[in-house]
Amino acid sequence: KNQVEQSPQSLIILEGKNCTLQCNYTVSPFSNLRWYKQDTGRGPVSLTIMTFSENTKSNGRYTATLDADTKQSSLHITASQLSDSASYICVVSVGSNYKLTFGKGTLLTVNP
Amino acid sequence: DAMVIQNPRYQVTQFGKPVTLSCSQTLNHNVMYWYQQKSSQAPKLLFHYYDKDFNNEADTPDNFQSRRPNTSFCFLDIRSPGLGDAAMYLCATSRDIAGGNNEQFFGPGTRLTVL
Repeated sequence: KNQVEQSPQSLIILEGKNCTLQCNYTVSPFSNLRWYKQDTGRGPVSLTIMTFSENTKSNGRYTATLDADTKQSSLHITASQLSDSASYICVVSVGSNYKLTFGKGTLLTVNP
Repeated sequence: DAMVIQNPRYQVTQFGKPVTLSCSQTLNHNVMYWYQQKSSQAPKLLFHYYDKDFNNEADTPDNFQSRRPNTSFCFLDIRSPGLGDAAMYLCATSRDIAGGNNEQFFGPGTRLTVL
């Protein structure tokens, strides 16, 4: 069964601090992995998308890593801002299929 | 800016009263999707259109229907909303179904409340 597990479930940090969110997947065949940011009451917005051959991809203060051997990904947020408070969702695409396997997300709260 | 637009952002309906949610896109993508997302849960795919071809997920209740009159617009019809249908409904689009063009772009969602 295709699954995406994220940890931690929730995280509270102080503004300006860094944090790392984790994603483990058991999806086959793997196509690509995306990290989305979803603000409360809004739709998901794509942060990064990574294919099998990519190890690292950055988007401003967001850096995603992918280890296709261990089937793990992480999202590192540098110098957090209050506006980073959101749910971060790891999504894996199966084969050349349209179907996405979603993680349940990590709810990040950045406090002043 | 090219985008996915959903209207209304918030919809309140009564138990059993039909309701229609709207999605439009300026991306000229071939594929449009409807997801249901309940609180603290992952989005659940209801169905998608590839051009005019409708594809229903096996576990989508018959209460949910969809229409795509043209490339730009797609509607979600809930024939008889129940209390359990209260959720965020997300519309998404992708250029294609498979391969490198299947990245999905999401709209802001419509929050449905059933009284």
